[in-house]
Amino acid sequence: QVHLQESGPGLVKPSETLSLTCVVSGDSISRGGSWWSWARQPPGKGLEWIGEFHHSGRTNYKTSLKSRVSISVDKSKNQFSLDLNSVTAADTAVYYCARNGDSAWYFDYWGQGTLVTVSS
Amino acid sequence: QSALTQPASVSGSPGQSITISCTGTSSDVGGYNYVSWYQQHPGKAPKLMIYDVSNRPLGVSDRFSASKSGNTASLTISGLQAEDEADYYCNSYTNSISYVFGTGTKVTVL
Repeated sequence: QVHLQESGPGLVKPSETLSLTCVVSGDSISRGGSWWSWARQPPGKGLEWIGEFHHSGRTNYKTSLKSRVSISVDKSKNQFSLDLNSVTAADTAVYYCARNGDSAWYFDYWGQGTLVTVSS
Repeated sequence: QSALTQPASVSGSPGQSITISCTGTSSDVGGYNYVSWYQQHPGKAPKLMIYDVSNRPLGVSDRFSASKSGNTASLTISGLQAEDEADYYCNSYTNSISYVFGTGTKVTVL
């Protein structure tokens, strides 16, 4: 069974960098053809896709976040990370990591989510 | 990329069928057969219900079905049950090499 678990600070100050890690078990982030994603959900609002990375190192990001976001991977630890810089209160959300499905065009396994609040 | 448009709420009585629409553009829903649907109960992570427009993952009830016509995708829940009460989100791949979610629909079982 595939399991994803997010971790990171629950509170980040405005203008600083939000950094989260997603540890994967039950699958390898190095598996050929695999894509892995981050999404978020502000309190009481809808889901927003942030970006994804391919096992080869390729990344794709939501256009409006591209200048502030970076997704990286640590294959030795079977985990991937999200960095979002210059955060504001609008970045307060539950952040989810997810696995893109076998055909890559959907998200079949999700982490439980972690709430990050941006506040001084 | 603007969010796909869904009705804010849909309700039905137990046993009835309801349909949730998801309207996008030719740059997303209309341009690709890569529409998926997610169920989200309060405080929980989203759960994949439908992928590639109309396919159900193993373990998802066949009471859930979906289709697409032009720029609009639809999710139908047949034989509505109390456990179906949740938020539902559609998602589509886009020509910006990205994904966009719908605005979300709250399903209420009366």
